Amino acid sequence: DVVLTQTPVSLSVTLGDQASISCRSSQSLVYSDGNTYLKWYLQKPGQSPQLLIYEVSNRFSGVPDRFIGSGSGTDFTLKISRVEPEDLGVYYCFQATHDPWTFGGGTKLELK
Amino acid sequence: EVQLVESGGGLVQPGRSLKLSCAASGFTFSNYGMHWIRQAPTKGLEWVASISPSGGSTYYRDSVKGRFTISRDNAKSTLYLQMDSLRSEDTATYYCATGGADWGQGVMVTVSS
Repeated sequence: DVVLTQTPVSLSVTLGDQASISCRSSQSLVYSDGNTYLKWYLQKPGQSPQLLIYEVSNRFSGVPDRFIGSGSGTDFTLKISRVEPEDLGVYYCFQATHDPWTFGGGTKLELK
Repeated sequence: EVQLVESGGGLVQPGRSLKLSCAASGFTFSNYGMHWIRQAPTKGLEWVASISPSGGSTYYRDSVKGRFTISRDNAKSTLYLQMDSLRSEDTATYYCATGGADWGQGVMVTVSS
């Protein structure tokens, strides 16, 4: 199975700071069609996960442009510029390139 | 507006069965592959099973193969997860999802004697 390793496990920030989360895959996530099926989700306390980024760098509808996904192959990053209170929660990367689909272990973003 | 509403969860003894349902609305259900994803208490997310739009193809994680069955009724816009031979490690909140942005609110399954 593809292992997605997220770092850091937790991240303490001050509102207005930038935050950066890494997701490293045990295999390349480039699919045979040339696309890379890597997504980022945010799960706020008591809620279902919400999609932020799909195919590495595409922001889902309504997601603020302070969320930026980047990377290729096996190394991916989610950057959040100017963290706001509604950004707090647990971030997960997710891959649907290889079966079985897998999630990273999560990164908890909290206030310092 | 897309809605996914899970039901059927609860407390069940090890070795027993439970069937989850997910009622979908707000989109053409029969056009979409559907998925079950679970989250054990205080843990991360884990993909469980997927089914193609027609229901002709199904996929499972190794730990549930032979015990869980995913199915769908496109006429009723409903997704199912039949869970047999349940184990304590199956205890989790189960979410149905379209594979994109749409997730249900989740339903809790507790396997305990």
